[in-house]
Amino acid sequence: EPEVTQTPSHQVTQMGQEVILRCVPISNHLYFYWYRQILGQKVEFLVSFYNNEISEKSEIFDDQFSVERPDGSNFTLKIRSTKLEDSAMYFCASSVVEEVEQFFGPGTRLTVL
Amino acid sequence: ELKVEQNPLFLSMQEGKNYTIYCNYSTTSDRLYWYRQDPGKSLESLFVLLSNGAVKQEGRLMASLDTKARLSTLHITAAVHDLSATYFCAVALNRDDKIIFGKGTRLHILP
Repeated sequence: EPEVTQTPSHQVTQMGQEVILRCVPISNHLYFYWYRQILGQKVEFLVSFYNNEISEKSEIFDDQFSVERPDGSNFTLKIRSTKLEDSAMYFCASSVVEEVEQFFGPGTRLTVL
Repeated sequence: ELKVEQNPLFLSMQEGKNYTIYCNYSTTSDRLYWYRQDPGKSLESLFVLLSNGAVKQEGRLMASLDTKARLSTLHITAAVHDLSATYFCAVALNRDDKIIFGKGTRLHILP
C-alpha cells in the first residue's frame, strides 16, 4: 500500500543552523502539507502546497520557513535559522484532492539544542 | 479566527461502554476530519465529513457532522482496549486549505 515517507526520522541541530526535512508524498497525490506537533500538544498546520505553490500558510510559517518540490517526488521543508522553540515533531501529509483524507507520514523529530 | 474545541480532553472508560467525544468549531467550515494518534506515532485518518448530516461508521467508531450547530461527534460503541489513543478533530475553513486541529481527546480504555 502506498505511503508517505519522511527522512530523517530524527534530526538534532544547533540553534541557528539550517535544516531540511524531506518527504515523499504518495505518487498520485496533488496536495501536500506540513504540520508540526510540539511534544504533548496539538497538531498545528504550517503550510499547504498545490500546483507548485503555497496555497495557504499559518502564522507559524514565517520567513524562516520555506517549502519546495524540487524534483516532482520530494517535498521539503526548510527552516533557515532554527530556534529552540522549533523543536517538535514535523509531519508531512498528502491527499489526492483537498476534500478527501490526508495521509500522514511517520514524522521527523527535530531537536534544536 | 477559527477555533476548534474538543471535549473531553481526557477520558477513561471501561471496556464495553459507549461514549461520545465532541468537537465544536467557531466558524463556517466545509470539511471536518477525525484522526487517531497512538503514542509516539503519526496520525491515522479515520473520517472526513463534508456535508451537514454526514454520518460515517467504521467498526466501533461513528462520526457525524451538524454544520448548523458547528458540531461533530465521534461515538464509540462497546469500547475495546485497542481503541485507546488520542483522537483529534480538525476543521478546514471554507475554500481554504488551512486546517485547525483541536487539542485532542486522550482516550484510555480499561480492560
